[in-house]
Amino acid sequence: NAGVTQTPKFRILKIGQSMTLQCTQDMNHNYMYWYRQDPGMGLKLIYYSVGAGITDKGEVPNGYNVSRSTTEDFPLRLELAAPSQTSVYFCASSSPFIEDRDRMGYTFGSGTRLTVV
Amino acid sequence: TQLLKQSPQFLSIQEGENLTVYCNSSSVFSSLQWYRQEPGEGPVLLVTVVTGGEVKKLKRLTFQFGDARKDSSLHITAAQPGDTGLYLCAGVMTTDSWGKLQFGAGTQVVVTP
Repeated sequence: NAGVTQTPKFRILKIGQSMTLQCTQDMNHNYMYWYRQDPGMGLKLIYYSVGAGITDKGEVPNGYNVSRSTTEDFPLRLELAAPSQTSVYFCASSSPFIEDRDRMGYTFGSGTRLTVV
Repeated sequence: TQLLKQSPQFLSIQEGENLTVYCNSSSVFSSLQWYRQEPGEGPVLLVTVVTGGEVKKLKRLTFQFGDARKDSSLHITAAQPGDTGLYLCAGVMTTDSWGKLQFGAGTQVVVTP
């Protein structure tokens, strides 16, 4: 039972380069999210999706783009990387149809640590 | 601006001691969740509370949701080194139709033997 899988685990980018952070889940969850985590700041929502073909901006979307062509995959694209995008990125998924509220939360991947130099 | 404020930011205690972490807001939440995160990993769900005044126990961990659904606390009894981690509270605001979670900044707990 893989859950949420993120790749790569680590990456160093030069300023101005682009990359795609991959995220896939095998739980048939409708909802998927991208967060970034900076020290002492908690998790900030970048983008989210409530189903294939439906995405929307979160709190900090500038400099990022997403797409959701399938239920399983939710890649995050960084265009023209900047030092301010140095962070740990987490993908998560959830389902609004789970009746057992002890399982109502998000399932997170193990993160991608990105450094922009 | 952090909608959910956690305190303290850092807590260091000896094995066997008790600790309490607080999560406060001026906003009302339809549900609140607590997660624990270990280094190099994503957060893992501990509990979800949905009813004002609710108290939930998970072994040595006790979670409480405030009567007005604006705050929560996590109490650990007889802490063990395995309880070390970053504890995050997260809530769904009553005004959010998609159930997106707002996270607090976290409380780093260190339990030394």
